Amino acid sequence: GAVVSQHPSWVICKSGTSVKIECRSLDFQATTMFWYRQFPKQSLMLMATSNEGSKATYEQGVEKDKFLINHASLTLSTLTVTSAHPEDSSFYICSALSPGQGGYEQYFGPGTRLTVT
Amino acid sequence: GENVEQHPSTLSVQEGDSAVIKCTYSDSASNYFPWYKQELGKRPQLIIDIRSNVGEKKDQRIAVTLNKTAKHFSLHITETQPEDSAVYFCAASKGGSYIPTFGRGTSLIVHP
Repeated sequence: GAVVSQHPSWVICKSGTSVKIECRSLDFQATTMFWYRQFPKQSLMLMATSNEGSKATYEQGVEKDKFLINHASLTLSTLTVTSAHPEDSSFYICSALSPGQGGYEQYFGPGTRLTVT
Repeated sequence: GENVEQHPSTLSVQEGDSAVIKCTYSDSASNYFPWYKQELGKRPQLIIDIRSNVGEKKDQRIAVTLNKTAKHFSLHITETQPEDSAVYFCAASKGGSYIPTFGRGTSLIVHP
């Protein structure tokens, strides 16, 4: 299957600083990537849809000025958490759409655990 | 928008038993229904999916059924093994956007 990588796998930062998370499709080109947030023992919450070469589409309630998304190439999307606060601590997972049988399939990155102190 | 309900939230079975997880969806336009397995601290892995033009799909011990009229779909795992223990998520999406709506997840525990 398609492979999606994410970097870093974990990061600890101080309150008020910014953190950038990278999501890469390794063996396919992805015009569409998604960013999710997952709290412990909860489901995946879609934050935004990232389309190559255009602005991301944010879900209701997600601050676009706080969670900056850039999809500058067909294999890379980045999520920058600006002015991070402890409540931003979470597991962030990206995914990418890859052509599959009968349509597209979604493949997830391994996730990034962000801890804001 | 789409709403996906998933039951049960926790399922405990003995090794060798079958496990069934059920999901319902609200948007009749949804036509793609994937299932993901997520082990603790790891990424969700696509284990099986079904599109609205078929009613059932099977892959070894895993099968998924879809009832479009009733708007529900189910995951069936036979001959469960301890390594099947994980959280399973169902999802529903429309072909045009492929933006999935996830269920809340089912924590499956298989006791040896």
